[in-house]
Amino acid sequence: DTGVSQDPRHKITKRGQNVTFRCDPISEHNRLYWYRQTLGQGPEFLTYFQNEAQLEKSRLLSDRFSAERPKGSFSTLEIQRTEQGDSAMYLCASSLAGAGYTFGSGTRLTVV
Amino acid sequence: GQQVMQIPQYQHVQEGEDFTTYCNSSTTLSNIQWYKQRPGGHPVFLIQLVKSGEVKKQKRLTFQFGEAKKNSSLHITATQTTDVGTYFCAGPRNSGNTPLVFGKGTRLSVIA
Repeated sequence: DTGVSQDPRHKITKRGQNVTFRCDPISEHNRLYWYRQTLGQGPEFLTYFQNEAQLEKSRLLSDRFSAERPKGSFSTLEIQRTEQGDSAMYLCASSLAGAGYTFGSGTRLTVV
Repeated sequence: GQQVMQIPQYQHVQEGEDFTTYCNSSTTLSNIQWYKQRPGGHPVFLIQLVKSGEVKKQKRLTFQFGEAKKNSSLHITATQTTDVGTYFCAGPRNSGNTPLVFGKGTRLSVIA
């Protein structure tokens, strides 16, 4: 598989529940990014990793969001105590530094 | 922080007509990238421009980076129905190879 894989593709959760998403990047890529996209908007930066180090986290990201990339391979994004405003498409991308991004198909989260 | 603005927001064209979308940054960019997102899909990398005044072509698509490296354009000649989608430009948040800030995109509809 040469693409970026995300799991699950869809997640419906009740408000207040915790959810976790997984991203498997292209193995040769040392950078991994999480973005969020809502209808009619461009992708909004959340956080990114270079290898296993989390280098930057958006100031817009609340403390309910956390991401990990153990051993510099796959990454997880967890949202605690979900709110209806968290409903969005969560996109993962990977790249080599300074190169174009390869995006996964995303995880669509619906909070009811 | 750095902002990337795109116009127009929407464009409807007859098949065979030309199409142009414009991208403007609030700061000078080290590079600019363009992505295409088909309806229901995820962003797909098209191209990266690095040099001032650079022009690159991909078949019917022509990409240009402004002399001041603060603006860019994408021109499609003789649009086809396969060109339908949203076109995003994106530039680094800060200097160097930092994560991308995406514009809101231009949504292209092509009427056959």
